Amino acid sequence: NAGVTQTPKFRILKIGQSMTLQCAQDMNHNYMYWYRQDPGMGLKLIYYSVGAGITDKGEVPNGYNVSRSTTEDFPLRLELAAPSQTSVYFCASSYAQGRRGSNQPQHFGDGTRLSIL
Amino acid sequence: QQQVKQSPQSLIVQKGGISIINCAYENTAFDYFPWYQQFPGKGPALLIAIRPDVSEKKEGRFTISFNKSAKQFSLHIMDSQPGDSATYFCAASEESSGGSNYKLTFGKGTLLTVNP
Repeated sequence: NAGVTQTPKFRILKIGQSMTLQCAQDMNHNYMYWYRQDPGMGLKLIYYSVGAGITDKGEVPNGYNVSRSTTEDFPLRLELAAPSQTSVYFCASSYAQGRRGSNQPQHFGDGTRLSIL
Repeated sequence: QQQVKQSPQSLIVQKGGISIINCAYENTAFDYFPWYQQFPGKGPALLIAIRPDVSEKKEGRFTISFNKSAKQFSLHIMDSQPGDSATYFCAASEESSGGSNYKLTFGKGTLLTVNP
């Protein structure tokens, strides 16, 4: 199993350009998440999905969009890139969280390093 | 509003020493507290986790201590090794009514360096 695969690993964009960060998982996880990581700031949740066709906003959703047409894929779209979106983006997935005592760990990809100039 | 405060930002320890990272939380509804370990160029990976019904959990050289009344929890790494050099994140989530919640709130991270 590959786990969580993110592409591309690195990308440089110009202000105003758009792009899609790809995320795929092969663990049949229901839940998927997008985070951004900025130096010294930890991880901030952008969007998450509890299953195909269902997405919801996290803590910092502005400037991003997501879709979840299949269980395996959860792409993140930047429509009008801004310098403030320079960051490292991590996708994660987990099994459905169940009853108390059965919290499931999140499995992370290796990230996409995005610079917007 | 930072719901999980982590300290220190960075930590340097000699090989064989004890590394201690502290976290404090504000939301009393939090009841699941994992620690994630991240190596350079990689995504975070779950290291160890605790629930507030116990005060301590140990897995090998890694121990979580939990103080519910103080709303604090800490990670202790015994006999620290250079291979432990990484960034460590504490996190918290709440198992809301219905028994399922999946959104983690992360601390800002601690960069641990273990010198040989």
